Amino acid sequence: DVVMTQSPLSLPVTLGQPASISCRSSQSLVYSDGNTYLNWFQQRPGQSPRRLIYKVSNRDSGVPDRFSGSGSGTDFTLKISRVEAEDVGVYYCMQGTHWITFGQGTRLEIK
Amino acid sequence: EVQLVESGGGLVQPGGSLRLSCAASGFTFSSYEMNWVRQAPGKGLEWVSYISSSGSTIYYADSVKGRFTISRDNAKNSLYLQMNSLRAEDTAVYYCARDENFDYWGQGTLVTVSS
Repeated sequence: DVVMTQSPLSLPVTLGQPASISCRSSQSLVYSDGNTYLNWFQQRPGQSPRRLIYKVSNRDSGVPDRFSGSGSGTDFTLKISRVEAEDVGVYYCMQGTHWITFGQGTRLEIK
Repeated sequence: EVQLVESGGGLVQPGGSLRLSCAASGFTFSSYEMNWVRQAPGKGLEWVSYISSSGSTIYYADSVKGRFTISRDNAKNSLYLQMNSLRAEDTAVYYCARDENFDYWGQGTLVTVSS
């Protein structure tokens, strides 16, 4: 199974400051069709997960442009340019190339 | 507007059974693959099962294989998860999620396995 490893697991951030979450996979996530199936999800307290980014860097409709995804192969990053109070929650990466596995989650809190 | 509404959760004894449902609306259900994902209390997300749009292709996580059965009724815009031989470690919120890229999720239904 492909293992997804996120870091850090806890991320205290000051409002207005940037934040970055790393996600590393145990195998390359490039699929035979040339696509890389790496998604990012946000789960706010008490809510269900919401997809933010798909295929590494494509932002979903309605997702603020302060969220961006990047990376390739086995190394991926979710960045928030300026953290707002509504960004508090747990962020998960998920790979869909070698079936489906999620990262452990990164808890973002306001310092 | 895409909506996924899960139901059927509750308290069940170890070894018991439960059937979860996911009612879909706001899109052409028969055109989309569907998944079940679960989240144990205070834990992360775990994929459980996948079904293709026609229902002809099905996959399960090893942790539920042989005990859970996914199905769908495209005429009723509904997805199901039959859960048998339930264990304490199956206690979780169960979400249905659309598509192989998990673009929409329901609000979840809580399953508690306890005596």
